[in-house]
Amino acid sequence: DTEVTQTPKHLVMGMTNKKSLKCEQHMGHRAMYWYKQKAKKPPELMFVYSYEKLSINESVPSRFSPECPNSSLLNLHLHALQPEDSALYLCASSQGGFGATNEKLFFGSGTQLSVL
Amino acid sequence: RKEVEQDPGPFNVPEGATVAFNCTYSNSASQSFFWYRQDCRKEPKLLMSVYSSGNEDGRFTAQLNRASQYISLLIRDSKLSDSATYLCVVTRVGEKLTFGTGTRLTIIP
Repeated sequence: DTEVTQTPKHLVMGMTNKKSLKCEQHMGHRAMYWYKQKAKKPPELMFVYSYEKLSINESVPSRFSPECPNSSLLNLHLHALQPEDSALYLCASSQGGFGATNEKLFFGSGTQLSVL
Repeated sequence: RKEVEQDPGPFNVPEGATVAFNCTYSNSASQSFFWYRQDCRKEPKLLMSVYSSGNEDGRFTAQLNRASQYISLLIRDSKLSDSATYLCVVTRVGEKLTFGTGTRLTIIP
């Protein structure tokens, strides 16, 4: 299994809703990432979990709340989002812990989020 | 100066032609270099790692020039399916990956 699986693929939510994005990998990778990507821009790092501990929070607003229940799962809880938060949210994993030598990222297919 | 810079294009290239793009990076301590391709509304996918000795994978050749701090990607005999955005990625141990803004390539029949 060489896949990173993300659900849902599409999500439309209102500004008062609470929703969660889910990510799963069974490659035994020890680092998992959330990225946000706007159209025609590169992916922008949000959070990194390394060995199930939060290693990086790129000053992300608290309306985004990550969770890593175990080494295979990563969630992103969303609450009171703004329309400008509409974007493609990508999960990724890498084999070693964060910052390991020559680490390659494997991305999930993303969740296209629209906030109304 | 941006950490990683790419010509955004678009590069419009006839099918069968050879196309090359470069990516420059500002941190001379950078250690690992990659090319990813991203199709519209899809996830980035690793195309190839880039090594000092250069590396080739079929029609694709990647090179690293540490002295001038750039990496390059050459695509020979381009196919319609090569149309995508190509992202240059640079990093070093202990650091997050830094993405270039991407170069958009369109192969024209």
